[in-house]
Amino acid sequence: AQSVTQLGSHVSVSEGALVLLRCNYSSSVPPYLFWYVQYPNQGLQLLLKYTTGATLVKGINGFEAEFKKSETSFHLTKPSAHMSDAAEYFCAVSDSGTSYGKLTFGQGTILTVHP
Amino acid sequence: DVKVTQSSRYLVKRTGEKVFLECVQDMDHENMFWYRQDPGLGLRLIYFSYDVKMKEKGDIPEGYSVSREKKERFSLILESASTNQTSMYLCASSLPGLGSGANVLTFGAGSRLTVL
Repeated sequence: AQSVTQLGSHVSVSEGALVLLRCNYSSSVPPYLFWYVQYPNQGLQLLLKYTTGATLVKGINGFEAEFKKSETSFHLTKPSAHMSDAAEYFCAVSDSGTSYGKLTFGQGTILTVHP
Repeated sequence: DVKVTQSSRYLVKRTGEKVFLECVQDMDHENMFWYRQDPGLGLRLIYFSYDVKMKEKGDIPEGYSVSREKKERFSLILESASTNQTSMYLCASSLPGLGSGANVLTFGAGSRLTVL
Protein backbone atom coordinates (compact mmCIF):
# COMPACT_ATOMS: atom_id res chain seq x y z
CA ALA A 1 0.00 0.00 0.00
CA GLN A 2 1.12 3.50 -0.72
CA SER A 3 1.01 6.51 1.53
CA VAL A 4 1.96 10.16 1.36
CA THR A 5 2.90 12.50 4.18
CA GLN A 6 3.04 16.23 3.69
CA LEU A 7 4.93 17.94 6.51
CA GLY A 8 3.12 21.08 7.57
CA SER A 9 -0.55 21.68 6.94
CA HIS A 10 0.12 25.42 6.66
CA VAL A 11 3.17 27.21 5.28
CA SER A 12 3.52 30.97 5.29
CA VAL A 13 6.14 32.90 3.31
CA SER A 14 6.77 36.47 2.27
CA GLU A 15 6.48 37.51 -1.33
CA GLY A 16 9.84 36.91 -3.01
CA ALA A 17 10.94 34.28 -0.50
CA LEU A 18 11.73 30.65 -1.21
CA VAL A 19 8.81 28.24 -1.17
CA LEU A 20 9.49 24.73 0.15
CA LEU A 21 6.66 22.25 0.57
CA ARG A 22 7.68 18.84 1.87
CA CYS A 23 6.40 15.46 0.74
CA ASN A 24 7.48 11.98 1.75
CA TYR A 25 5.98 8.82 0.33
CA SER A 26 6.02 5.10 0.78
CA SER A 27 5.57 2.67 -2.07
CA SER A 28 6.47 -0.96 -2.57
CA VAL A 29 7.18 -0.45 -6.27
CA PRO A 30 8.78 2.37 -8.26
CA PRO A 31 6.41 5.27 -7.84
CA TYR A 32 4.94 7.92 -10.04
CA LEU A 33 4.85 11.19 -8.09
CA PHE A 34 2.74 14.29 -8.59
CA TRP A 35 2.09 17.73 -7.22
CA TYR A 36 -1.33 19.27 -7.74
CA VAL A 37 -2.50 22.76 -6.82
CA GLN A 38 -6.00 23.83 -5.85
CA TYR A 39 -7.02 27.48 -5.98
CA PRO A 40 -10.07 28.56 -3.98
CA ASN A 41 -13.35 27.16 -5.28
CA GLN A 42 -11.65 25.20 -8.03
CA GLY A 43 -10.68 21.62 -8.74
CA LEU A 44 -7.12 20.39 -8.68
CA GLN A 45 -4.71 21.05 -11.51
CA LEU A 46 -1.43 19.34 -12.24
CA LEU A 47 1.72 21.28 -11.33
CA LEU A 48 4.30 18.64 -12.24
CA LYS A 49 4.94 14.93 -12.31
CA TYR A 50 7.79 12.45 -12.02
CA THR A 51 7.49 9.15 -13.82
CA THR A 52 10.93 8.04 -14.97
CA GLY A 53 14.19 9.65 -16.06
CA ALA A 54 15.48 12.96 -14.73
CA THR A 55 14.87 13.28 -11.02
CA LEU A 56 14.56 17.08 -11.08
CA VAL A 57 11.22 17.91 -12.58
CA LYS A 58 10.08 21.35 -13.67
CA GLY A 59 6.45 22.31 -13.68
CA ILE A 60 4.22 25.25 -14.35
CA ASN A 61 4.47 28.67 -12.70
CA GLY A 62 8.16 28.26 -11.84
CA PHE A 63 7.76 25.29 -9.51
CA GLU A 64 10.06 22.31 -9.48
CA ALA A 65 10.47 19.13 -7.46
CA GLU A 66 13.23 16.60 -6.97
CA PHE A 67 12.69 12.89 -6.60
CA LYS A 68 15.10 11.49 -4.00
CA LYS A 69 14.71 7.75 -3.82
CA SER A 70 17.08 7.34 -0.86
CA GLU A 71 15.02 9.79 1.17
CA THR A 72 11.63 8.74 -0.29
CA SER A 73 10.94 12.42 -0.80
CA PHE A 74 9.50 14.64 -3.51
CA HIS A 75 9.69 18.18 -2.11
CA LEU A 76 8.24 21.09 -4.08
CA THR A 77 10.18 24.34 -4.39
CA LYS A 78 9.94 27.74 -6.00
CA PRO A 79 12.78 30.27 -5.69
CA SER A 80 10.58 33.34 -5.32
CA ALA A 81 6.99 33.30 -4.08
CA HIS A 82 4.31 35.37 -5.73
CA MET A 83 1.00 36.41 -4.25
CA SER A 84 -0.76 34.32 -6.90
CA ASP A 85 0.90 31.17 -5.49
CA ALA A 86 -1.42 31.25 -2.50
CA ALA A 87 -3.36 27.98 -2.74
CA GLU A 88 -3.51 24.46 -1.35
CA TYR A 89 -0.94 21.99 -2.65
CA PHE A 90 -1.28 18.24 -2.74
CA CYS A 91 1.41 15.63 -3.22
CA ALA A 92 0.28 12.30 -4.68
CA VAL A 93 1.75 8.90 -5.49
CA SER A 94 0.72 5.99 -7.65
CA ASP A 95 2.25 2.68 -8.56
CA SER A 96 4.05 2.55 -11.85
CA GLY A 97 2.36 -0.75 -12.63
CA THR A 98 -1.30 -1.55 -12.51
CA SER A 99 -2.95 1.31 -10.70
CA TYR A 100 -5.25 2.55 -13.52
CA GLY A 101 -4.46 6.02 -12.35
CA LYS A 102 -5.36 5.49 -8.72
CA LEU A 103 -3.55 8.23 -6.91
CA THR A 104 -3.01 8.35 -3.16
CA PHE A 105 -2.94 11.94 -1.94
CA GLY A 106 -1.31 13.61 1.00
CA GLN A 107 -3.21 15.73 3.48
CA GLY A 108 -2.50 18.97 1.66
CA THR A 109 -0.49 22.08 2.53
CA ILE A 110 -2.05 25.52 2.47
CA LEU A 111 0.44 28.11 1.25
CA THR A 112 -0.05 31.70 2.37
CA VAL A 113 2.01 34.46 0.76
CA HIS A 114 2.40 37.75 2.65
CA PRO A 115 3.15 41.04 0.91
CA ASP B 1 -8.36 21.04 -23.16
CA VAL B 2 -9.98 18.17 -21.36
CA LYS B 3 -13.01 19.23 -19.50
CA VAL B 4 -14.56 17.46 -16.59
CA THR B 5 -17.91 18.93 -15.67
CA GLN B 6 -19.70 18.33 -12.42
CA SER B 7 -23.33 19.30 -12.76
CA SER B 8 -23.89 20.67 -9.26
CA ARG B 9 -21.44 22.95 -7.48
CA TYR B 10 -23.46 23.19 -4.27
CA LEU B 11 -26.13 20.88 -2.90
CA VAL B 12 -28.03 20.81 0.37
CA LYS B 13 -29.84 17.60 1.22
CA ARG B 14 -31.56 16.11 4.23
CA THR B 15 -30.54 12.98 6.10
CA GLY B 16 -31.93 9.88 4.41
CA GLU B 17 -32.34 11.45 0.98
CA LYS B 18 -30.95 9.75 -2.11
CA VAL B 19 -28.32 11.95 -3.74
CA PHE B 20 -26.93 11.80 -7.27
CA LEU B 21 -23.71 13.56 -8.21
CA GLU B 22 -23.10 13.67 -11.94
CA CYS B 23 -19.81 13.98 -13.78
CA VAL B 24 -19.21 14.24 -17.52
CA GLN B 25 -15.91 14.36 -19.39
CA ASP B 26 -15.49 15.27 -23.03
CA MET B 27 -12.16 13.73 -24.05
CA ASP B 28 -12.96 10.06 -24.42
CA HIS B 29 -11.09 9.13 -21.23
CA GLU B 30 -11.69 5.57 -20.11
CA ASN B 31 -10.67 6.02 -16.47
CA MET B 32 -12.94 8.00 -14.18
CA PHE B 33 -12.77 8.58 -10.44
CA TRP B 34 -14.70 9.95 -7.51
CA TYR B 35 -12.72 11.41 -4.63
CA ARG B 36 -13.88 12.96 -1.40
CA GLN B 37 -11.97 15.97 -0.01
CA ASP B 38 -12.03 16.86 3.67
CA PRO B 39 -9.82 19.39 5.51
CA GLY B 40 -6.73 17.76 6.96
CA LEU B 41 -7.45 14.46 5.23
CA GLY B 42 -6.61 15.36 1.66
CA LEU B 43 -8.39 13.43 -1.09
CA ARG B 44 -9.65 9.91 -0.54
CA LEU B 45 -10.74 7.63 -3.36
CA ILE B 46 -14.34 6.43 -3.19
CA TYR B 47 -14.75 4.52 -6.46
CA PHE B 48 -13.17 4.39 -9.87
CA SER B 49 -14.08 2.97 -13.25
CA TYR B 50 -11.77 1.90 -16.08
CA ASP B 51 -14.48 1.11 -18.62
CA VAL B 52 -18.22 1.36 -19.21
CA LYS B 53 -20.13 -0.68 -16.64
CA MET B 54 -16.89 -1.50 -14.83
CA LYS B 55 -16.29 -0.20 -11.33
CA GLU B 56 -13.84 -0.81 -8.53
CA LYS B 57 -13.99 0.18 -4.88
CA GLY B 58 -11.55 2.71 -3.64
CA ASP B 59 -10.46 3.31 -0.08
CA ILE B 60 -13.76 4.55 1.35
CA PRO B 61 -16.68 3.04 -0.63
CA GLU B 62 -19.04 2.50 2.30
CA GLY B 63 -22.29 4.39 1.89
CA TYR B 64 -21.69 5.10 -1.79
CA SER B 65 -22.35 3.46 -5.11
CA VAL B 66 -21.55 4.45 -8.69
CA SER B 67 -22.93 4.08 -12.16
CA ARG B 68 -21.19 4.21 -15.52
CA GLU B 69 -23.62 3.50 -18.32
CA LYS B 70 -21.82 5.67 -20.87
CA LYS B 71 -18.13 6.29 -21.32
CA GLU B 72 -18.36 10.02 -20.71
CA ARG B 73 -20.56 9.93 -17.61
CA PHE B 74 -19.77 8.68 -14.11
CA SER B 75 -22.33 9.13 -11.36
CA LEU B 76 -21.85 8.92 -7.62
CA ILE B 77 -24.88 7.84 -5.61
CA LEU B 78 -25.53 8.25 -1.93
CA GLU B 79 -28.40 5.84 -1.28
CA SER B 80 -29.30 7.38 2.07
CA ALA B 81 -27.36 10.51 2.84
CA SER B 82 -25.95 10.99 6.31
CA THR B 83 -24.41 14.02 7.99
CA ASN B 84 -20.94 12.45 7.90
CA GLN B 85 -21.13 12.55 4.11
CA THR B 86 -21.07 16.34 4.16
CA SER B 87 -17.97 17.03 2.08
CA MET B 88 -16.47 18.23 -1.18
CA TYR B 89 -16.70 15.61 -3.93
CA LEU B 90 -14.27 15.71 -6.82
CA CYS B 91 -14.61 13.83 -10.08
CA ALA B 92 -11.58 13.14 -12.27
CA SER B 93 -10.70 11.35 -15.47
CA SER B 94 -7.54 10.10 -17.16
CA LEU B 95 -6.24 8.43 -20.27
CA PRO B 96 -6.86 4.73 -20.78
CA GLY B 97 -4.63 1.84 -19.90
CA LEU B 98 -1.64 1.79 -17.62
CA GLY B 99 1.52 3.81 -17.30
CA SER B 100 2.28 7.46 -16.76
CA GLY B 101 -0.46 8.88 -18.99
CA ALA B 102 -3.17 7.01 -17.16
CA ASN B 103 -1.96 8.48 -13.90
CA VAL B 104 -2.42 12.14 -14.85
CA LEU B 105 -5.85 13.08 -13.54
CA THR B 106 -7.95 15.95 -14.81
CA PHE B 107 -10.37 17.18 -12.17
CA GLY B 108 -13.74 18.81 -12.20
CA ALA B 109 -14.43 21.90 -10.09
CA GLY B 110 -16.06 19.88 -7.33
CA SER B 111 -19.50 19.46 -5.78
CA ARG B 112 -19.91 20.68 -2.22
CA LEU B 113 -22.56 18.61 -0.49
CA THR B 114 -24.13 19.54 2.82
CA VAL B 115 -26.34 16.98 4.54
CA LEU B 116 -28.58 18.38 7.26
